[in-house]
Amino acid sequence: GAGVSQSPSNKVTEKGKDVELRCDPISGHTALYWYRQSLGQGLEFLIYFQGNSAPDKSGLPSDRFSAERTGGSVSTLTIQRTQQEDSAVYLCASSSGRGVYYGYTFGSGTRLTVV
Amino acid sequence: TQLLEQSPQFLSIQEGENLTVYCNSSSVFSSLQWYRQEPGEGPVLLVTVVTGGEVKKLKRLTFQFGDARKDSSLHITAAQPGDTGLYLCAGARNNAGNMLTFGGGTRLMVKP
Repeated sequence: GAGVSQSPSNKVTEKGKDVELRCDPISGHTALYWYRQSLGQGLEFLIYFQGNSAPDKSGLPSDRFSAERTGGSVSTLTIQRTQQEDSAVYLCASSSGRGVYYGYTFGSGTRLTVV
Repeated sequence: TQLLEQSPQFLSIQEGENLTVYCNSSSVFSSLQWYRQEPGEGPVLLVTVVTGGEVKKLKRLTFQFGDARKDSSLHITAAQPGDTGLYLCAGARNNAGNMLTFGGGTRLMVKP
C-alpha cells in the first residue's frame, strides 16, 4: 500500500482481556517496528523485525506482550490480560532496511484504552 | 533516564518568533533524525544528519549535528502556527543495527 496501515485506530477494552493490534507495512519494506507512546511523550521501543531474522524482543515490557510477522509482511501485536498501564498509543513503522538513514514510515497508531 | 534528552519539553511562542530545540546524549550516534508529529498521526521524518558538524536547511528549519555526533539542534526561524506539533529526535548507534532510539520530544505551540 501507499503507507503503513494500522487497525483498529481506537480500542477500548476491559482490564484482563486480550487485544490484538494489526500493522500492514509498506510493500517491500523489510524492517517493521512496534513502539508505544504514552500521553504524547517520546516513543518506547517494543519489538523489531528485520527480514527473516529472529525478532529483537528486547523492548517488550512483560511476557504478556508478544508479536509476530507473517510472510514478512503483516504484523500482529498481542497483549494478554491487559492492565491499565498498557493504555497508550501503539505505533507501527516500517523501513526499507536502511531506516537509520532513510527514516521510518509510521502508521497513525492504535489508541488503546484499558478500563 | 533517556538515552536522548530533549529540551525544552514544552515551548509556547508567538507567531514570528525564533526558537531552538536541543537533543543531547552522552553516546555517539552514527546518524540522527528529526521527526514531527501532529495529534492523531504518526511521526513524519523531517531530516537525517550523518556527518559531525553537518548543517541541513529545510525552508525555515535548520538542523545541526554536533561535531562529536552526540547532540543535535533544530532551529525554526519566524515560527508559524503550522509549525505546532511534537518534535522528536531519534539516533542510531553503530552497535544497534537498523534501530532508532527516540528522545522524549519537545511539544511546540505557536500562537497566531
